[in-house]
Amino acid sequence: EVQLLESGGGFVQPGGSLRLSCAASGFIFHNHAMNWVRQAPGKGLEWVSTITGGGGSIYYADSVRGRFTISRDNSKNTLFLQMNSLRGEDTAVYYCAKSLTTTSNWLDPWGQGTLVIVSS
Amino acid sequence: EIVLTQSPATLSLSPGERATLSCRASQSVGSYLGWYQQKPGQAPRLLIYDASNRATGIPARFSGSGSGTDFTLTISSLEPEDFAVYYCQQRSNWPLTFGGGTKVEIK
Repeated sequence: EVQLLESGGGFVQPGGSLRLSCAASGFIFHNHAMNWVRQAPGKGLEWVSTITGGGGSIYYADSVRGRFTISRDNSKNTLFLQMNSLRGEDTAVYYCAKSLTTTSNWLDPWGQGTLVIVSS
Repeated sequence: EIVLTQSPATLSLSPGERATLSCRASQSVGSYLGWYQQKPGQAPRLLIYDASNRATGIPARFSGSGSGTDFTLTISSLEPEDFAVYYCQQRSNWPLTFGGGTKVEIK
């Protein structure tokens, strides 16, 4: 069974930093792209970033490019999101999600999410 | 960026009724359109990918159709557990984008 477990969320002041982690199990981690998607309170889904299986290709939403860095450690089956220069609008539940196949960016499954609150 | 517009925003139906949800893309996405279901307090779940393929474990009452810019998710007969928010997503171009969602609520 595929399992994704996010951690690292919390309360941070504007301008601060957080590092999210997503521990994966139940599949061949390095064979799949991984993704971060966020959802602000009461709002819809917003894709944040994708990293391919080997880490050779990375994509970001314009809203986070230059502030967030996605990475992965395939030896530890773990995905990361380093978030710097955080803003109030970054407040959201952050989900990690596995790409359905090795070649497609359908997101399946998703972790349970970790809440990030940016406020003074 | 490809904008996905979902309609209606809210659909009020009774159990057993048919639900028809729409997703329109600002430019062609071919068949690279998927649908997700999200229940309160839960993570989204993939229902449909590549416009018409059901994901693993998804009941046959869920079906997807369309290509290009116009897509439909149909729930043939609503079960109590189907009342939720549904999102479409495209993977044709970066950035990946989601529609604003359709809430299917009990009438």
